Amino acid sequence: AQSVTQLDSHVSVSEGTPVLLRCNYSSSYSPSLFWYVQHPNKGLQLLLKYTSAATLVKGINGFEAEFKKSETSFHLTKPSAHMSDAAEYFCVVSDIGRDDKIIFGKGTRLHILP
Amino acid sequence: SQTIHQWPATLVQPVGSPLSLECTVEGTSNPNLYWYRQAAGRGLQLLFYSVGIGQISSEVPQNLSASRPQDRQFILSSKKLLLSDSGFYLCAWSWGAGSNQPQHFGDGTRLSIL
Repeated sequence: AQSVTQLDSHVSVSEGTPVLLRCNYSSSYSPSLFWYVQHPNKGLQLLLKYTSAATLVKGINGFEAEFKKSETSFHLTKPSAHMSDAAEYFCVVSDIGRDDKIIFGKGTRLHILP
Repeated sequence: SQTIHQWPATLVQPVGSPLSLECTVEGTSNPNLYWYRQAAGRGLQLLFYSVGIGQISSEVPQNLSASRPQDRQFILSSKKLLLSDSGFYLCAWSWGAGSNQPQHFGDGTRLSIL
């Protein structure tokens, strides 16, 4: 069965420092993995996706994530945080070959300190 | 390009009143459609999804229902709202073929029950 765990419910970093949001997944098949960002009172916006091509995936706004099968991880990173990055981030797993349902993590709230 | 519209953006309703939230997608045909609820401080809960006109799958038993009267229209309804129905409701669409397709979200409806 699929599952996804976001290891931190809140992360605080100073502006200009690196961001690391952790995500571990469980999948019986070949997973597709996604990261979404949600700003207050807005819908979710796709940041990036992994679908069995390159393991290092680059997304919008300077974010990237690396798929590590041996560690069942798909952590989201950014070299230098900006105040506008303050938002909630969701890691999502979907299995290729199964039905069209996907599993969302519970989210990580990213706080940017001035 | 594809766009998704949800309305209204905010809604305040008394307990026991009916509900109708509408979602439409433009620029694509035969999308998969989804309704999610996001309670304060919690992740996303999938309520309903649809792979075609008149085809609705319910994920959580509740007093809500969904309908898909047209290919790109998805409606969330209730005959009598409960206090526990308060939350942020999100509609999403994805390409129908394959679980490696990301979902694309509307801007949501903030529903408050008094």
